Amino acid sequence: DIQMTQSPSSLSASVGDRVTITCRASQSISSYLNWYQQKPGKAPKLLIYAASSLQSGVPSRFSGSGSGTDFTLTISSLQPEDFATYYCQQSYSTPQVTFGPGTKVDIK
Amino acid sequence: QVQLQESGPGLVKPSETLSLTCAVSGYSISSGYYWGWIRQPPGKGLEWIGSIYHSGSTYYNPSLKSRVTISVDTSKNQFSLKLSSVTAADTAVYYCARLTPSLGCIWGQGTMVTVSS
Repeated sequence: DIQMTQSPSSLSASVGDRVTITCRASQSISSYLNWYQQKPGKAPKLLIYAASSLQSGVPSRFSGSGSGTDFTLTISSLQPEDFATYYCQQSYSTPQVTFGPGTKVDIK
Repeated sequence: QVQLQESGPGLVKPSETLSLTCAVSGYSISSGYYWGWIRQPPGKGLEWIGSIYHSGSTYYNPSLKSRVTISVDTSKNQFSLKLSSVTAADTAVYYCARLTPSLGCIWGQGTMVTVSS
């Protein structure tokens, strides 16, 4: 099974800050990596698919990079509505998918 | 566009079977893709439960495999989850989703299931 890790598990940041979240897979997953944002009481929302493709309607301050085992989600200028929990997910072994443990972004 | 909607009891007694259905609209399950169930215990992360293809082929999380059954009804354009012998540890929000290797997941809104007597 492919295991996913994320770092940090949580971070505190201010509006306007540049934020970077890292995701690592236990084996190479090529570019089959997706990023989701989840707010309390809501379903996860797809931000980035295929490691670096921006989902339609998602602000351009979100970007993704990486391939193989190491991936990054970057928020270029943090906005108030971006405070949430972020999950990575590998889809390399679809229909068997796995998620990272999440990174909670809160207000400093 | 494709939409998914979970339905089923919000309260299940310990040792009984949890049953949920996911109705799909805007896309025919028979056309392809994998369809899956994912859960999230309160305050915790996301756990994949299992997936099914329109042909009926199933794939289960090894940690839940002995208790899980996923089935599909293409005539109703829906798929279902059964989880047997539930305990309090199965209390969670249950999501259904369309799974693709290259385009990410499309999620239902989720349904909270509490296991309690």
